[in-house]
Amino acid sequence: RKEVEQDPGPFNVPEGATVAFNCTYSNSASQSFFWYRQDCRKEPKLLMSVYSSGNEDGRFTAQLNRASQYISLLIRDSKLSDSATYLCVVTFHPMEYGNKLVFGAGTILRVKS
Amino acid sequence: DAGITQSPRYKITETGRQVTLMCHQTWSHSYMFWYRQDLGHGLRLIYYSAAADITDKGEVPDGYVVSRSKTENFPLTLESATRSQTSVYFCASSVGGGVSNQPQHFGDGTRLSIL
Repeated sequence: RKEVEQDPGPFNVPEGATVAFNCTYSNSASQSFFWYRQDCRKEPKLLMSVYSSGNEDGRFTAQLNRASQYISLLIRDSKLSDSATYLCVVTFHPMEYGNKLVFGAGTILRVKS
Repeated sequence: DAGITQSPRYKITETGRQVTLMCHQTWSHSYMFWYRQDLGHGLRLIYYSAAADITDKGEVPDGYVVSRSKTENFPLTLESATRSQTSVYFCASSVGGGVSNQPQHFGDGTRLSIL
C-alpha cells in the first residue's frame, strides 16, 4: 500500500463548478500536511498547509481528518487557471524521518469553459 | 532575486556515464532535498541533507551520490547512469525540520534522459 494515495483523475469540470479531492495516508505518525500544485512540466508549488481545524484561503478549503487519516481540498468557483495537478503531501516525525515529505502521485484537474 | 536554481535544465547522456546535477539556494535553508518524478509514482525522495556535511538516504538512493560541503549547494551525482534513471529531478530546500509546518521550495527541475 502506498503511503499517500490520491485518485489520479482527471477531474473534468466546467468553470464555476465546485470540486473536491481526497487523499489518504497510511502512517498515523504523520505530522504535517500540505497541498501542492504542479503545472505541466513545472516544479511543485505550495498551495496551502492543512491544519487540524481546517483552513481556508480564498476559494480553497482544506480539511484534515486524523481519525480516518485523510485530507481533502475543496475548490469553489473553479477557474480555467486552476487546471493543474494537485499533490497531497504528508510529513512524518522529523526525528525519525528527517522532515521527509511523502508525495501522492497527484490528482489532475481540468477546468473547461 | 533569492531562490533555488538547478542546472542543467536539460541533459542527455549515455548509459555508463557519470553525470552531476547541480542545485544552489540563496536562502541559507538548512534542509535540502533531491527528488525524482516519474509517471505514476509522484515525487520520490532520493537523498536529503539537514545541514552542511550531513546527508541521508531517502526512498530511492541506489545509484546516486550526494555531497554538501557548503550550505547553499547540494549536487547529485549519478555514478554510472542507467536508462531507469531517466526522469525529471527536482531539488528543494526548507528552513528546517522540527515539528512546525515547514514547506519545501522547489527548483525548476532537470530533465535527464539516459540513452
